[in-house]
Amino acid sequence: AQSVTQPDIHITVSEGASLELRCNYSYGATPYLFWYVQSPGQGLQLLLKYFSGDTLVQGIKGFEAEFKRSQSSFNLRKPSVHWSDAAEYFCAVGARDSNYQLIWGAGTKLIIKP
Amino acid sequence: EPEVTQTPSHQVTQMGQEVILRCVPISNHLYFYWYRQILGQKVEFLVSFYNNEISEKSEIFDDQFSVERPDGSNFTLKIRSTKLEDSAMYFCASRGQITDTQYFGPGTRLTVL
Repeated sequence: AQSVTQPDIHITVSEGASLELRCNYSYGATPYLFWYVQSPGQGLQLLLKYFSGDTLVQGIKGFEAEFKRSQSSFNLRKPSVHWSDAAEYFCAVGARDSNYQLIWGAGTKLIIKP
Repeated sequence: EPEVTQTPSHQVTQMGQEVILRCVPISNHLYFYWYRQILGQKVEFLVSFYNNEISEKSEIFDDQFSVERPDGSNFTLKIRSTKLEDSAMYFCASRGQITDTQYFGPGTRLTVL
């Protein structure tokens, strides 16, 4: 069955520290992988995406993610977090043959300590 | 920058009532989607729409749900007879012809009492 797993419900990091949010997927077709961010009271904003080519993708706000096919992972990273990064982060997977309908992870809530 | 808009931001309704959630997709987009997120749960796909017809739908999208593009700009989700378990945040998204990326609206929080 197709699924996306984000094993960490909450992550707390200090401002200025590095961040890695984990995402594992199970998908039969060639997946398109996405990270979205949802700030409180806001919609879902695309951070970055991957579907082919260089397995390290750069996104907005200084985020990057690395696709590792052997581990079925697409982890999100940022070298130094800012207080404004506090939000919920969602990993999602889609495929062209299903009209890109997205299957979502449960989300990871990022808490920034001052 | 163009964006997807949704109205209302919050809708409160009584069980059994009909609700219509409205979305204005990005103007040159051709593919439209509805998702929902029940509080504390994952975002779930409901339906996708292209060329004035449903292209994919999930098992959640039963006969109580319908979608429509009544004019050139709006995309609506109707729930005919709301149930308590329909309480959720409903997100609309749109996608252009040559892109794989969906752009999301801010959501409508539906509360069924």
